[in-house]
Amino acid sequence: QKEVEQDPGPLSVPEGAIVSLNCTYSNSAFQYFMWYRQYSRKGPELLMYTYSSGNKEDGRFTAQVDKSSKYISLFIRDSQPSDSATYLCAMSRDNYGQNFVFGPGTRLSVLP
Amino acid sequence: DVKVTQSSRYLVKRTGEKVFLECVQDMDHENMFWYRQDPGLGLRLIYFSYDVKMKEKGDIPEGYSVSREKKERFSLILESASTNQTSMYLCASSLEWGQGYEQYFGPGTRLTVT
Repeated sequence: QKEVEQDPGPLSVPEGAIVSLNCTYSNSAFQYFMWYRQYSRKGPELLMYTYSSGNKEDGRFTAQVDKSSKYISLFIRDSQPSDSATYLCAMSRDNYGQNFVFGPGTRLSVLP
Repeated sequence: DVKVTQSSRYLVKRTGEKVFLECVQDMDHENMFWYRQDPGLGLRLIYFSYDVKMKEKGDIPEGYSVSREKKERFSLILESASTNQTSMYLCASSLEWGQGYEQYFGPGTRLTVT
């Protein structure tokens, strides 16, 4: 079983839709949970970062962590064509922020 | 703006060649990382370094080595390139523990080994 599972998509939605992106993980020792966005031919960039179970909101983006179910989600409200990218979940195996494991990414297309 | 630069965007090498991939960051970050990214597998950690001359193996270090002689520069070395090392290579840097875990990535080097 992979440490982190993520549906690769592609996921296509109309502009304005609510998007839900998810990852499941198997290692209960994961401490920190992140979402990165990667545009085509670019390196990933950090979108959201959470530590504990619960929700964290930043503008149109909400990150949700459920440690008991080993499940994390990223919600995008009022999706825009500029949100079209690959979204990667990432988790830290340690308390030092040095050893991360990434999901394979979900490719999202928001159609105008 | 944090900037992580990688020496080449595209590289084509022959099997058996020694390959050097260079990464430079300009934000005085302690941690530097090398990943490879393959379709369906995501980013996989090859090596990371938390200080000059210090290195730790990641998940897939076989066939690779690294060098960090200066804080801002982290090199990935393929001692004898093989076709299964054809991939996108991404370098990243981050501040030390306790100051956040955001990794800043370079644009990547697409390496093709023929």
